[in-house]
Amino acid sequence: GAVVSQHPSWVICKSGTSVKIECRSLDFQATTMFWYRQFPKQSLMLMATSNEGSKATYEQGVEKDKFLINHASLTLSTLTVTSAHPEDSSFYICSARDLGWGAGEETQYFGPGTRLLVL
Amino acid sequence: GDSVTQMEGPVTLSEEAFLTINCTYTATGYPSLFWYVQYPGEGLQLLLKATKADDKGSNKGFEATYRKETTSFHLEKGSVQVSDSAVYFCALTPNDYKLSFGAGTTVTVRA
Repeated sequence: GAVVSQHPSWVICKSGTSVKIECRSLDFQATTMFWYRQFPKQSLMLMATSNEGSKATYEQGVEKDKFLINHASLTLSTLTVTSAHPEDSSFYICSARDLGWGAGEETQYFGPGTRLLVL
Repeated sequence: GDSVTQMEGPVTLSEEAFLTINCTYTATGYPSLFWYVQYPGEGLQLLLKATKADDKGSNKGFEATYRKETTSFHLEKGSVQVSDSAVYFCALTPNDYKLSFGAGTTVTVRA
């Protein structure tokens, strides 16, 4: 099946620094990718929709200047957490939308997640 | 807005027991409904889905039926195995592919 990778799988950084997380669709092209945040023992919260070649669409309450999203190619979206603070520590998950072969065949494939710890 | 309410866990079962995880939703229109599974240390995987009322999704022995009259999409498996231990998420999308997830239910199956 389709595979979505994320890099890095975990990262520790100092407060005030920026961290970039990559999301790649490995065997299909994805015009749309999504970024989620998952807190411990809680559900996934959609942060933003990343569209190839255009600006990302952010969910209400998500700071677009804090979480910069770039979808520069059909197989890569990046999330940069700028000026990270301890409250940004979380598990970040991306997904990529595979259009499949026809109507009703669309599926989202999820990456394994990136754990961010800001000290 | 759209939302999903999922049975709280954790759920602990013995092998070969019957598993049910309740899921109800609130949405305008006719959303597509999904169950995703997250095995330890792995990303979410689509388990099954249903796109219209009365559809039954099934995979790996799991089943769920889209019940519009009760706005439910309960997940069932007749005989669980240790390998079914995971976190299960119910989700919906109003077909713009922005998924809304339930809180997740942790299932542990003991041998």
